[in-house]
Amino acid sequence: ETGVTQSPTHLIKTRGQQVTLRCSSQSGHNTVSWYQQALGQGPQFIFQYYREEENGRGNFPPRFSGLQFPNYSSELNVNALELDDSALYLCASSLSGQIEAFFGQGTRLTVV
Amino acid sequence: AQSVTQLGSHVSVSEGALVLLRCNYSSSVPPYLFWYVQYPNQGLQLLLKYTSAATLVKGINGFEAEFKKSETSFHLTKPSAHMSDAAEYFCAVSAPAGGYQKVTFGTGTKLQVIP
Repeated sequence: ETGVTQSPTHLIKTRGQQVTLRCSSQSGHNTVSWYQQALGQGPQFIFQYYREEENGRGNFPPRFSGLQFPNYSSELNVNALELDDSALYLCASSLSGQIEAFFGQGTRLTVV
Repeated sequence: AQSVTQLGSHVSVSEGALVLLRCNYSSSVPPYLFWYVQYPNQGLQLLLKYTSAATLVKGINGFEAEFKKSETSFHLTKPSAHMSDAAEYFCAVSAPAGGYQKVTFGTGTKLQVIP
């Protein structure tokens, strides 16, 4: 059984660019959540996908968008990057109806 | 609405001493509560969870937490700190919110263990 894997582990982007982060959920998990963790802060909920549909969203602007694929893997897309988007982005997968989520190692995004 | 407050952004203990990390929550419905640990440049690892069964919850690595509804608290303890416990700890509350389980994290407590 593989855990949650995220790619890339690190990347650097320029302000105004677009970025796509990827997440492979744990085997059998059909729900994926994305979090933004700024330096020195706790993770902040961005959104959740279940069966390829967004079913919950935190207080993030529309330039943060996502996708979930039939194999339950997921992408987080951020358009028009801002310096404040620099953070660790965490993906967590779970099985619908179960409260425990399993986190990936995260992607460290730096916007310069 | 739900929220989590972790008292003390930094806690230092001596190796072998008691670890106590404080967490208070608010939730309009009975919540699930979690403690996660994060090592540098790593994701979050679940230490323990409260799911309305026993109020004293035992987790991994010798940690435990007690749910006290009257105090809206879920403090994390470990009788004897080990050097490997040095990390950042996050308390989280989860409750239903319109079709999904909304999870809210605290701002974290960095635990330093002094040899």
